[in-house]
Amino acid sequence: DAGVIQSPRHEVTEMGQEVTLRCKPISGHDYLFWYRQTMMRGLELLIYFNNNVPIDDSGMPEDRFSAKMPNASFSTLKIQPSEPRDSAVYFCASSDFYGYTFGSGTRLTVV
Amino acid sequence: DQQVKQNSPSLSVQEGRISILNCDYTNSMFDYFLWYKKYPAEGPTFLISISSIKDKNEDGRFTVFLNKSAKHLSLHIVPSQPGDSAVYFCAASEGFSGGSNYKLTFGKGTLLTVNP
Repeated sequence: DAGVIQSPRHEVTEMGQEVTLRCKPISGHDYLFWYRQTMMRGLELLIYFNNNVPIDDSGMPEDRFSAKMPNASFSTLKIQPSEPRDSAVYFCASSDFYGYTFGSGTRLTVV
Repeated sequence: DQQVKQNSPSLSVQEGRISILNCDYTNSMFDYFLWYKKYPAEGPTFLISISSIKDKNEDGRFTVFLNKSAKHLSLHIVPSQPGDSAVYFCAASEGFSGGSNYKLTFGKGTLLTVNP
């Protein structure tokens, strides 16, 4: 298995633009998590899904952030409009009974 | 409001010596604790875990200690090796009922540097 696949690896965008981050979880994993890593806050959970259904989105910072999981093999995290303070590394992780597997992350820079 | 706290942003040790990374938590409902290791440009990877019914768990050079009364856990690496240089995240969950059925709360991480 190729693991959790995130794209793009790096994204540089201008303030006000829409940004879409993508994640392909490991086949058979029934949970999917989106985390954001910053120096100030460390790794913080944004939202997670169980069997494609959003369970807890209390970590989503603002209405500018939205996430979807249209099927078991794909999820997106969208920021519209983006702001410089959204600059961070965004991780997707999927899990089964044995635990989490993280993707390599998307480094987002909003200028 | 940080429920999981790693108060040391960085730690430097000599190769062969012991590395001790600390973590404190405030949520009394946490009952499962994990350590993750992260290299640059990679996602965190699972290292070791401990359930609240135990006070120690060992896996090779890595040992995690849990002090529930103090709401404190620590990760010991003996002996430390240069390849252990990475960011270490402490994480906790509540209501653990299986590997998939939990969300993890992470600390900010500690950068460990092991010098040759």
